[in-house]
This record gives sequence, C-alpha cells and structure tokens, in this order.
Amino acid sequence: GQQLNQSPQSMFIQEGEDVSMNCTSSSIFNTWLWYKQEPGEGPVLLIALYKAGELTSNGRLTAQFGITRKDSFLNISASIPSDVGIYFCAGYNTDKLIFGTGTRLQVFP
Amino acid sequence: DAGITQSPRHKVTETGTPVTLRCHQTENHRYMYWYRQDPGHGLRLIHYSYGVKDTDKGEVSDGYSVSRSKTEDFLLTLESATSSQTSVYFCAIPRAPSSGANVLTFGAGSRLTVL
Repeated sequence: GQQLNQSPQSMFIQEGEDVSMNCTSSSIFNTWLWYKQEPGEGPVLLIALYKAGELTSNGRLTAQFGITRKDSFLNISASIPSDVGIYFCAGYNTDKLIFGTGTRLQVFP
Repeated sequence: DAGITQSPRHKVTETGTPVTLRCHQTENHRYMYWYRQDPGHGLRLIHYSYGVKDTDKGEVSDGYSVSRSKTEDFLLTLESATSSQTSVYFCAIPRAPSSGANVLTFGAGSRLTVL
C-alpha cells in the first residue's frame, strides 16, 4: 500500500532548541495533517494543510504543504518538555488517510 | 474526547478466542474508522464504515470483521485472535461534518494482547 516516509525516526534535543521533521511520499495528496500522540492516548490533531504551498502556524508549531504536494514539513520552535511525544504526518487522497511511521521527540531540560 | 469512546481500553486474551472491540460516537457522523498501531508501521486502516450497514476494507483487513447496526456504534471483531493481532486499536471519526473524511479525531485506543 501507499507509504509515507517520515524522518527523522527519533530526536533527542535540549529544551529551547528548534525542531524540524518532514514527511515525503511518491504520491500526491490533497490534504496534509500533523498529529501528536502522548503515551496511552490517541493522536491529537495539531495542524491541517489543504493547499500546496500553504504555511500554517499553531503557537510554536509551523507546518508547510509542499509545492509538489508530495511532502510536508513541521517545525517546532523553542522546544519545551511538554513537546515530548510521537509526531505523525498523514496525507489524504481519494477517500483514505495514510499515516507516516512517526518521529519520536525527547526533550531534555 | 470529542464524543468518541472505545471499550474495552485494555484486554488480554488467548490465541483462538473471539474478541470484539466497540467504538461509540455521539457526533452522529456517517463515517467511522478502525486503525491499528504497531511500532514501525504508524497507523494502518483496518475497516471503515460510511453508514449503517455500509462498510469497506482497509489495507490490513485480513482476520477482522466489522459491523455497524446503529450510527453511533462501530464494532471490530477478531473471530479467532492470533498473536500477530496484538496491537493498539484506534477508532476515529471525522473531526467535523464539514471536514469530511480527511481530518480525523481519534479515540483513546484499545490495547489488545493475544497470548
């Protein structure tokens, strides 16, 4: 089936640092989403992108819908301990939402 | 969370036994989805429903069946559980009626262990 390549797989950073992660695919998507998941919980939507080239922010988080419609990027500025979790990208086309394998983020004080 | 409840939250069972997981929504959405989450695979779609008695397969549907007799309930059944079905199962519904099926809200998950 379709796959999204998400990188990096994991990140260990110090509090205050900026974080960048991305998601790429061989397929075109009409919507890109970024979710965060904390232990024992379901994924929670952070940002939704609907148009190629779109840049959207949610507090310290900024995500972009790639021009080619085959990729998306998420940046977190000035990380804090509560940013810890697994971040998933997801792309939508036709009638299915396809998920990346996740980026595990650890933030050290 | 956003009107979606999964039960049970945790279950341990033995190989060969039947298992049913329940997803209940209070949002009156047509669409409901079942995903499984495994390390290294992200979330993968098992089955989805687009209305009462209307269901379709996802990418990993083998070994699973679903039923939707009421708008609010979507059941996932493992007729004869296997160890490879040990996983965390998530139910999802569209975030809002206007967002369609492309932005999903997830339940808290059901952790299933098959011994």
